[in-house]
Amino acid sequence: ETAVFQTPNYHVTQVGNEVSFNCKQTLGHDTMYWYKQDSKKLLKIMFSYNNKQLIVNETVPRRFSPQSSDKAHLNLRIKSVEPEDSAVYLCASSPGLGNYAEQFFGPGTRLTVL
Amino acid sequence: GQQVQQSPASLVLQEGENAELQCNFSSTATRLQWFYQHPGGRLVSLFYNPSGTKHTGRLTSTTVTNERRGSLHISSSQTTDSGTYFCAIGTSSGQKLVFGQGTILKVYL
Repeated sequence: ETAVFQTPNYHVTQVGNEVSFNCKQTLGHDTMYWYKQDSKKLLKIMFSYNNKQLIVNETVPRRFSPQSSDKAHLNLRIKSVEPEDSAVYLCASSPGLGNYAEQFFGPGTRLTVL
Repeated sequence: GQQVQQSPASLVLQEGENAELQCNFSSTATRLQWFYQHPGGRLVSLFYNPSGTKHTGRLTSTTVTNERRGSLHISSSQTTDSGTYFCAIGTSSGQKLVFGQGTILKVYL
């Protein structure tokens, strides 16, 4: 099956802990993204990677760090989570940039910070 | 930066009625993408429509780039169409999507 996969589906943790989310795409795409969807359903870009290179870092707090081992994987680590980090984190990929930028999304990881 | 405004914020229809969702954006864009999100579900791409009109089943997407607007038409709505519809604009470099706030559609029998 070719798609965008994310793990875990859900994660509940306490303030101050570290969490990691995984994203893998089997579409053969060059570009991957992380978006955050808050409790009001608003979606905002966090990071974009093209061919393993960071190209967008949208003024995200420094406790967030993306990690790309190859074009098919883009993970997200959050050091010392805070209550406002509770959200759904969505990973996406696209064939490339410019006119090849149609994006396809994974199912999301719902983070709850207690 | 790019701003995207969707209207209406919410819409309630009886099954069989048509729906027209609007998307307006602040800067010239070369890519508009429509998504559907079922409650608790993933974002499903409905259309990738830089300009012109595209059809899929009961759905029609129209993008008028020089007027900075797009629309999504749903004909003969069904209860399974209920959910949130997002319009997103791609930056000229294609490095990210800027999303509207969504239109919540509820279709009842």
